Amino acid sequence: EAQVTQNPRYLITVTGKKLTVTCSQNMNHEYMSWYRQDPGLGLRQIYYSMNVEVTDKGDVPEGYKVSRKEKRNFPLILESPSPNQTSLYFCASSSEDRPSQSTQYFGPGTRLTVL
Amino acid sequence: KQEVTQIPAALSVPEGENLVLNCSFTDSAIYNLQWFRQDPGKGLTSLLLIQSSQREQTSGRLNASLDKSSGRSTLYIAASQPGDSATYLCAVRVGGSQGNLIFGKGTKLSVKP
Repeated sequence: EAQVTQNPRYLITVTGKKLTVTCSQNMNHEYMSWYRQDPGLGLRQIYYSMNVEVTDKGDVPEGYKVSRKEKRNFPLILESPSPNQTSLYFCASSSEDRPSQSTQYFGPGTRLTVL
Repeated sequence: KQEVTQIPAALSVPEGENLVLNCSFTDSAIYNLQWFRQDPGKGLTSLLLIQSSQREQTSGRLNASLDKSSGRSTLYIAASQPGDSATYLCAVRVGGSQGNLIFGKGTKLSVKP
């Protein structure tokens, strides 16, 4: 089954404790991205990646890092989480080098709470 | 800067009604527009993708239209069912074929049996 998986689905942590949210897709997609969703603000893109070893900032990259060492994985790293990063996070992927023509597939979301 | 607006923010209709959800965007220079459905606590499911050169797309009871010059799209749902209850999100792709998706804040639809 074609899917995007994220882990963990729920995470409660404390300020400053480094964490990683994993994202994996099994569709051989080249384009992957991370979004956060907040009430009243909607979905905003954090980072995206066009291919292995190619990453770029989205609209709200501050406080986040990503890496793309393999095509299927695109982890989101919070080196020193802060309470304003409490949010619902989504990973997404789309096919090949034509994301403008292809559907974005979204993961189930990770609900992060930073105390 | 591209902004996407969805009206209304919430909508409640009785089962069986036909309904229209609206999406507007401020910059007509988009590459495509996509409608998504989000169920509570779940991820997004793509419903329809309209290329900038297209006027509409249809899938089952759903029909999406695009008027790029006026910066508008509509999602028409025919014969609504309680299972259609969800939040519907509109998103436009900007900045080129490899650009970002800019999302609206969604319309929360409730279909009453």
